[in-house]
Amino acid sequence: DAGITQSPRHKVTETGTPVTLRCHQTENHRYMYWYRQDPGHGLRLIHYSYGVKDTDKGEVSDGYSVSRSKTEDFLLTLESATSSQTSVYFCAIQGTTTYEQYFGPGTRLTVT
Amino acid sequence: QQQVKQSPQSLIVQKGGIPIINCAYENTAFDYFPWYQQFPGKGPALLIAIRPDVSEKKEGRFTISFNKSAKQFSLHIMDSQPGDSATYFCAASRDSGGYQKVTFGTGTKLQVIP
Repeated sequence: DAGITQSPRHKVTETGTPVTLRCHQTENHRYMYWYRQDPGHGLRLIHYSYGVKDTDKGEVSDGYSVSRSKTEDFLLTLESATSSQTSVYFCAIQGTTTYEQYFGPGTRLTVT
Repeated sequence: QQQVKQSPQSLIVQKGGIPIINCAYENTAFDYFPWYQQFPGKGPALLIAIRPDVSEKKEGRFTISFNKSAKQFSLHIMDSQPGDSATYFCAASRDSGGYQKVTFGTGTKLQVIP
């Protein structure tokens, strides 16, 4: 599992509330990613990070923000959750010597 | 074009059969093509990957065939087993200033019947 944990694993929240998802890695990888997975869309990149305090947008970043204050933690925040953000969210790290990405176990988020 | 087209959407085979999943891409800048296997409730796990200078790669019962001129690649699972029942994603990636920009296919749900 490449030493990646995500929390919480499941969350139900109401429209308009803020939500923060956490990704934690234990292997000091520089690059970290947040994806969302939806039926018929595969995985789509939300944001990525290339170091502490260094982040950039992916293809579906609207409504999301991220922060990385420590190498091991990458946070994804939904400032005001909407029903369209109901999804499964995966964090991934990039291997240090290869091009592979390794995924965490995911967080299932339901916005009611 | 960043799209990766994957087919079929779902596939049912008998145990011992050879399911084949196909993917096609447009962007010739892609230089790495991984396949991921995902079981329900789990994250995608890297299964096998290939670079465009190789036409075929085998790892155990899994084989990637790659046709650079046609911009197509496929996954073959030899002697498929019920434990191979999962969703498979192809992907194509390229280096984008250090980070890997990965484009995923939409997935194929495979069911292997005993």
